Amino acid sequence: DAGITQSPRHKVTETGTPVTLRCHQTENHRYMYWYRQDPGHGLRLIHYSYGVKDTDKGEVSDGYSVSRSKTEDFLLTLESATSSQTSVYFCAITASGRGDEQYFGPGTRLTVT
Amino acid sequence: GENVEQHPSTLSVQEGDSAVIKCTYSDSASNYFPWYKQELGKRPQLIIDIRSNVGEKKDQRIAVTLNKTAKHFSLHITETQPEDSAVYFCAASLYNFNKFYFGSGTKLNVKP
Repeated sequence: DAGITQSPRHKVTETGTPVTLRCHQTENHRYMYWYRQDPGHGLRLIHYSYGVKDTDKGEVSDGYSVSRSKTEDFLLTLESATSSQTSVYFCAITASGRGDEQYFGPGTRLTVT
Repeated sequence: GENVEQHPSTLSVQEGDSAVIKCTYSDSASNYFPWYKQELGKRPQLIIDIRSNVGEKKDQRIAVTLNKTAKHFSLHITETQPEDSAVYFCAASLYNFNKFYFGSGTKLNVKP
């Protein structure tokens, strides 16, 4: 599982509240990603990071921000949650030293009511 | 950016039959093509991948083929078993850029 954990695993929140999801990895991988998964859309990239304090937008970044102050942690923040952000969120890493192989965390199911 | 299309969206086969899932990509610079299997409620798991310098790769009952000219690649599962039932995703990436673009998924149902 490439040493990836996500917290929380499940969260229910109300529209308009801020939410932060955490991705933690223990193997010092340089690249980390946040995806959302919705029926019929596969996995869509929200933001990714290529090093501490180095981040870039993905294809569905509106309404989301990220931070990476340590190699092991990549945080995803919804500043003001909306119902359209109800989804399953997956963190992923690209394994250092194993080419492009990408491995996923266990996921966080977020419901915005 | 890259656009990956995947077909079919659902596939139902009898146990023991073969299953084929196809993907096309738009960016001819893409050179890494992984396939993931996702069981219900679980994370996507990498099952096989292929790089653009190879036309075919096999791992036991699964194989992936790549046609760079036509910009499409396929996943082949032979002798399907009920435990192969899952959602399968293809993806395309450009090596060293580390951005992945996923297809929308194929739900495979293997009937005993």
